[in-house]
Amino acid sequence: DGGITQSPKYLFRKEGQNVTLSCEQNLNHDAMYWYRQDPGQGLRLIYYSQIVNDFQKGDIAEGYSVSREKKESFPLTVTSAQKNPTAFYLCASSIDLRPEQFFGPGTRLTVL
Amino acid sequence: GQQLNQSPQSMFIQEGEDVSMNCTSSSIFNTWLWYKQDPGEGPVLLIALYKAGELTSNGRLTAQFGITRKDSFLNISASIPSDVGIYFCAGHRLQGAQKLVFGQGTRLTINP
Repeated sequence: DGGITQSPKYLFRKEGQNVTLSCEQNLNHDAMYWYRQDPGQGLRLIYYSQIVNDFQKGDIAEGYSVSREKKESFPLTVTSAQKNPTAFYLCASSIDLRPEQFFGPGTRLTVL
Repeated sequence: GQQLNQSPQSMFIQEGEDVSMNCTSSSIFNTWLWYKQDPGEGPVLLIALYKAGELTSNGRLTAQFGITRKDSFLNISASIPSDVGIYFCAGHRLQGAQKLVFGQGTRLTINP
């Protein structure tokens, strides 16, 4: 089955630690995205990547970093510089930069 | 970043009732999309609209692309328990940063 996987589903970290969230897709999509979702709010774009070895900042990139070494993978690192990292993180992909984006199941990060 | 104005924020209805929700923006979009998100999961694409005035159905769901290109509407007929969730609209432009802009979501609750 083609799809997007995110791991782990739940993640707990101590304040001040960096943490990396995994996102893998086997849809052969060129573009991948990371969003943050807070309760009662819509999705806000953190970073996106159109092709391998290239990525662009979204609306709330501060305190986050990404890499795109392989087409299938787009990991997100939440650094200690992110002031309020507790949130639900969603990864998505699309064919090129077409509007139809397909989402993974999400990772809920809790920083204690 | 810009977010779309989605209303209502929440709805409490009886099973079997019809549902209407809408999304408005101060600027135009080239594509409108509607997603549904179940608790703790990623959003699932329901309907995509590509042309002003377009009316598209997906089972009991019907969505319309407003003729001004600044709004979109989603209707659900004869609601059933599995319709419970959060519905998000999203707009996409071809010019500038080609990214999705999301509404805040409409939370649908159904009383059996």
